[in-house]
Amino acid sequence: DAGVIQSPRHEVTEMGQEVTLRCKPISGHNSLFWYRQTMMRGLELLIYFNNNVPIDDSGMPEDRFSAKMPNASFSTLKIQPSEPRDSAVYFCASSFGTGVGGTQYFGPGTRLTVL
Amino acid sequence: AQTVTQSQPEMSVQEAETVTLSCTYDTSESNYYLFWYKQPPSRQMILVIRQEAYKQQNATENRFSVNFQKAAKSFSLKISDSQLGDTAMYFCAFMTTSGTYKYIFGTGTRLKVLA
Repeated sequence: DAGVIQSPRHEVTEMGQEVTLRCKPISGHNSLFWYRQTMMRGLELLIYFNNNVPIDDSGMPEDRFSAKMPNASFSTLKIQPSEPRDSAVYFCASSFGTGVGGTQYFGPGTRLTVL
Repeated sequence: AQTVTQSQPEMSVQEAETVTLSCTYDTSESNYYLFWYKQPPSRQMILVIRQEAYKQQNATENRFSVNFQKAAKSFSLKISDSQLGDTAMYFCAFMTTSGTYKYIFGTGTRLKVLA
């Protein structure tokens, strides 16, 4: 099993540009989570999907952030326009509901730097 | 609302010795899961150990074991025979079984294993 795949691993962009982060969950998993990690705020859940449907997006910081899951094997997190305060590591994780105790398996993360 | 508290921001231990990281949580639910994740400098989030609340027996994975005290709402992680590769940030997480699959994470404990 390849695990959760995220791309790109690193992204450097300028303020105002659109950024798209991508995630491929583990095959067979039906829940997908997007997290943001910063030194100041720690790990924050941004949004999660169950069976491709957004269930809770209360952690999405503002309208500049959007996430989609068009099918069971792909999700995107988009920031438009990006700002320097969006600089962080963004993780995607997937799980099989409460299967295996609801264990979430994390991708390697995308380190985003907005200049 | 559920909360997870890790009261030790940083700890250090000599190689080959034993260290215990503490985690307390607050919930009114009786059925839930608890997790410890490790985040080494590579930033990959790695599952260390998982505990189901309905199981009285403490979970063990090789050198890692937990002391789960349900009444006290405590879930500490013991690392035996510490190795340099155990140097990492350790996060405690709580997940309810009441239909959502969200984790509540603690703020983490930075562990340094000294040679």
